[in-house]
Amino acid sequence: AQSVAQPEDQVNVAEGNPLTVKCTYSVSGNPYLFWYVQYPNRGLQFLLKYITGDNLVKGSYGFEAEFNKSQTSFHLKKPSALVSDSALYFCAVRDMRAGFQKLVFGTGTRLLVSP
Amino acid sequence: GAGVSQTPSNKVTEKGKYVELRCDPISGHTALYWYRQSLGQGPEFLIYFQGTGAADDSGLPNDRFFAVRPEGSVSTLKIQRTERGDSAVYLCASSSGGPDEQFFGPGTRLTVL
Repeated sequence: AQSVAQPEDQVNVAEGNPLTVKCTYSVSGNPYLFWYVQYPNRGLQFLLKYITGDNLVKGSYGFEAEFNKSQTSFHLKKPSALVSDSALYFCAVRDMRAGFQKLVFGTGTRLLVSP
Repeated sequence: GAGVSQTPSNKVTEKGKYVELRCDPISGHTALYWYRQSLGQGPEFLIYFQGTGAADDSGLPNDRFFAVRPEGSVSTLKIQRTERGDSAVYLCASSSGGPDEQFFGPGTRLTVL
């Protein structure tokens, strides 16, 4: 079975400081991993994905994520946070095996960036 | 280009009524997904279409829920005899398939009174 854990309900960071939003996953096969962001009253927006290759993945709006197979983690990072980054962030996993198309999401982490 | 669109954006109904929620995917996307997001939770998978056929409907909670995609493009999620517990935001997504990311629509907020 697939599962995702986002251990922090909320992350607070000051503008200009680095941020990390944590995600760990569990799949039977190899994973495809995704980060999405959700702004109030809007749909989910894709940020970045890990399929294969380099463990450090770069995405939209200056975000990046590091895939760590031994720790089964895919933490989201940004070197310098902006107030406009404040939103709800979801990590999701998909089993790489054929026939497993559904995304399994974590419960989300609210990021609050203070001025 | 146009993204995934969903109608209506909001639907209020009474317990026991029938509702239909519509999803218009990105043009050319063969894969279409329905998810449900309850307050304070992440989206939960309902059903996945590849073309016209439902390739995985393992997430549908019971037989009151049904979805169709007759021409391989627009999809309709149908809920019979709605219950208060069906209240949630219903999200539709589409993709080119394979490892490609899924693009989500803005959702339909369903409220069952």
